[in-house]
Amino acid sequence: AQKITQTQPGMFVQEKEAVTLDCTYDTSDPSYGLFWYKQPSSGEMIFLIYQGSYDQQNATEGRYSLNFQKARKSANLVISASQLGDSAMYFCAMREAAGFGNEKLTFGTGTRLTIIP
Amino acid sequence: SQTIHQWPATLVQPVGSPLSLECTVEGTSNPNLYWYRQAAGRGLQLLFYSVGIGQISSEVPQNLSASRPQDRQFILSSKKLLLSDSGFYLCAWSEDRLGLRSGEQYFGPGTRLTVT
Repeated sequence: AQKITQTQPGMFVQEKEAVTLDCTYDTSDPSYGLFWYKQPSSGEMIFLIYQGSYDQQNATEGRYSLNFQKARKSANLVISASQLGDSAMYFCAMREAAGFGNEKLTFGTGTRLTIIP
Repeated sequence: SQTIHQWPATLVQPVGSPLSLECTVEGTSNPNLYWYRQAAGRGLQLLFYSVGIGQISSEVPQNLSASRPQDRQFILSSKKLLLSDSGFYLCAWSEDRLGLRSGEQYFGPGTRLTVT
């Protein structure tokens, strides 16, 4: 079974609108972390935001926020007031079994976001 | 501050030729190091990770190998490339620390490999 599922292969959003990128995950580990990365056309992976499984509040980083619904096992990324520079691939990732240096990430297949002027 | 370098940036190699991709990290010590491959339009697949010098774990059986000869150097190699080895190779590092906030990885600029 897929550990990380991103069901939106592509999205088109008008500039300045908010956008939600979906991510669901599957794990039996009570301790895990969820990450979102942005990959522009240059290829570099840019870390955006992190949510720990025990965090009580949803993570926020500037225009990025993570809508964490633990019971539903979803960790959607919300980008407010989208900008042209937000056009990129977005990947959701999960880290299980933290500790002792063994911190592997499992990535979803990504969502290509295109911001329309 | 920490930086991560990869080279070469792009590479075109014939089938059956050897491969060596290098990754180095600056500004940190004893990092965890990772090699990922990304096929065109796909997500990232973890190939190898290392928690210390000479310590390599392989995630998938394949035509590739990895080595860590120095603390901040990670090398991806192949003796004979296959067409299926084409892709975008990303190196990443994370801090060697315990705790629930561990796991954040920082990526290099990547190497685009085309096997012809």
